[in-house]
Amino acid sequence: EVHLLESGGGLEQPGGSLRLSCAASGFTFSSYAMGWVRQAPGKGLDWVSSIYTSDTNTYYADSVRGRFTISRDNSKNTLYLQMDSLRAEDTAVYYCAKASGLIDPFDHWGQGTLVTVSS
Amino acid sequence: QSALTQPASVSGSPGQSITISCTGTSSDVGGYDFVSWYQQHPGKAPKLMIHNVSNRPSGVSNRFSGSKSGDTASLTISGLQAEDEADYYCSSFASRDTLVFGGGTRVTVL
Repeated sequence: EVHLLESGGGLEQPGGSLRLSCAASGFTFSSYAMGWVRQAPGKGLDWVSSIYTSDTNTYYADSVRGRFTISRDNSKNTLYLQMDSLRAEDTAVYYCAKASGLIDPFDHWGQGTLVTVSS
Repeated sequence: QSALTQPASVSGSPGQSITISCTGTSSDVGGYDFVSWYQQHPGKAPKLMIHNVSNRPSGVSNRFSGSKSGDTASLTISGLQAEDEADYYCSSFASRDTLVFGGGTRVTVL
């Protein structure tokens, strides 16, 4: 059974940094693209970033490009999202998701981790 | 990366069929057959219902079907059931190797 467990969320000040992690199990992690999708409180889904099977192919939404960095450690079955220069509008639940294609579709999702950016 | 356009809400009675539209442009929905649909119940993670316009993942009821015409994709739920009450989101692969979601549609079973 596929299992995705996010961690690393919390409260951070504007301009600060956070690193999210997503521990994966139940599938061959190195064979699948992965992604991050966020959802601001009471709002819709918002794609953040995706990464193919290695760190050489990464994709970002315009709203986070240059501030966020997606990466993966296939030896640890773990996906990461380094978030720098955080803004209030980055406040959201961040979901880790397994993709069955290059960037999507996301066929399995974690339960999410809440990131709050506030002074 | 503008969000795809979905109706805010759609409702129907049990047993009826409803259709949710998802309108984009030639740079996303109209340009690629990579439209997906997700169901999200309150407080839960999204669930993939349709991918590649009209394909159902294993385990998803055949009451859910997808289609596309031009820049608009559609999700149809037939034989509406109480458990179908949820938020539904479309997504599409878009130019410059990005992904765009729709604003979401709240489905209410009357």
